[in-house]
Amino acid sequence: KQEVTQIPAALSVPEGENLVLNCSFTDSAIYNLQWFRQDPGKGLTSLLLIQSSQREQTSGRLNASLDKSSGRSTLYIAASQPGDSATYLCAVVGVTGANNLFFGTGTRLTVIP
Amino acid sequence: DVKVTQSSRYLVKRTGEKVFLECVQDMDHENMFWYRQDPGLGLRLIYFSYDVKMKEKGDIPEGYSVSREKKERFSLILESASTNQTSMYLCASSVWTGSSYNEQFFGPGTRLTVL
Repeated sequence: KQEVTQIPAALSVPEGENLVLNCSFTDSAIYNLQWFRQDPGKGLTSLLLIQSSQREQTSGRLNASLDKSSGRSTLYIAASQPGDSATYLCAVVGVTGANNLFFGTGTRLTVIP
Repeated sequence: DVKVTQSSRYLVKRTGEKVFLECVQDMDHENMFWYRQDPGLGLRLIYFSYDVKMKEKGDIPEGYSVSREKKERFSLILESASTNQTSMYLCASSVWTGSSYNEQFFGPGTRLTVL
């Protein structure tokens, strides 16, 4: 069964720093990988979707990369702001089994003003 | 913008009650999902549906049932609520296009407390 791991579990950085969040998955047979943001007590907001044939996606200050063969993805956040403070989750859709996302347990990011 | 709405943000029920959680999406998506999210366990799939009146069990279907009578609406039913079903429940929808799935879009969540 697909397992998704996110390291670190928590991260604190001063405002303005660039940072990288990591996601690894055990089965490289995936359709896509999606990064989400979750604020406390709220639902998930989709940030970026990378199809299995793609290497990266960019949206504003966010850049996500995918190395399917090594089972890794990174989310790069440039010039971090206090409003970026949230939990970031990555999830993959496998090519076999149920039509669902396998989620990591997330990285809780705190950007200190 | 895709919109996924859930009937309640907060819900408090008593043990043994029948509980209905409703989810509606406005983008004509075929696929709809129910997850629960618990600290330390992450998100786990309860049920999903890929078409009207179709349903598939996820990882933790025990104690739950679902209903999809219309394409835009997917209901999660707790037949007899128990305290271990206290959790955050998240609904999502997506569309299947050719060889890959599009994004999953999530609702705001329902925090259910069973006393």
